[in-house]
Amino acid sequence: DGGITQSPKYLFRKEGQNVTLSCEQNLNHDAMYWYRQDPGQGLRLIYYSQIVNDFQKGDIAEGYSVSREKKESFPLTVTSAQKNPTAFYLCASSSPPLEQFFGPGTRLTVL
Amino acid sequence: AQSVTQPDIHITVSEGASLELRCNYSYGATPYLFWYVQSPGQGLQLLLKYFSGDTLVQGIKGFEAEFKRSQSSFNLRKPSVHWSDAAEYFCAVGVSNAGNMLTFGGGTRLMVKP
Repeated sequence: DGGITQSPKYLFRKEGQNVTLSCEQNLNHDAMYWYRQDPGQGLRLIYYSQIVNDFQKGDIAEGYSVSREKKESFPLTVTSAQKNPTAFYLCASSSPPLEQFFGPGTRLTVL
Repeated sequence: AQSVTQPDIHITVSEGASLELRCNYSYGATPYLFWYVQSPGQGLQLLLKYFSGDTLVQGIKGFEAEFKRSQSSFNLRKPSVHWSDAAEYFCAVGVSNAGNMLTFGGGTRLMVKP
């Protein structure tokens, strides 16, 4: 079955640590996205990539980094510079025109 | 820039009653419009989408939405709600010349009374 997988489902981070969230898709989509979701705030765009080896900052990129070395993969690193990283993180992919497909999400908690 | 407003943060309906969730958007031209549903702790699932053509759009799970250009609205409706419809619903607007980007509303949480 085609789809988007995210791992792990739950992730715990200590203060000062970097952590990497995985996102893989087998839908052959060119574009991929990372969103952050906080209670009552909807989805906010962190980074997006429209093609391999290229990515752009979204609305809340500070404290996050990404790479896009393969079409199928778009990992997100939450760095120690992100002061409030506890949230639900969603990865999505799309092919024109615009419909985005979402993964199941990763819940990150800072201890 | 485009924006999306979902005026109702929470809505409670009785099982079997009809449902309408409101969505208003701001954009200078005709946007692409979407409704997604999210169960707790899960990703988002696409319910329906509007790109062009017939302004009444049918989706999955018995949902429909109507695009009204004059009101800048794209309200989601269901004639008879089931307990399994309890979830959070997000309206989104996209612009084709903005790199496949979507702007999401803040969401409406639907609760269903037995």
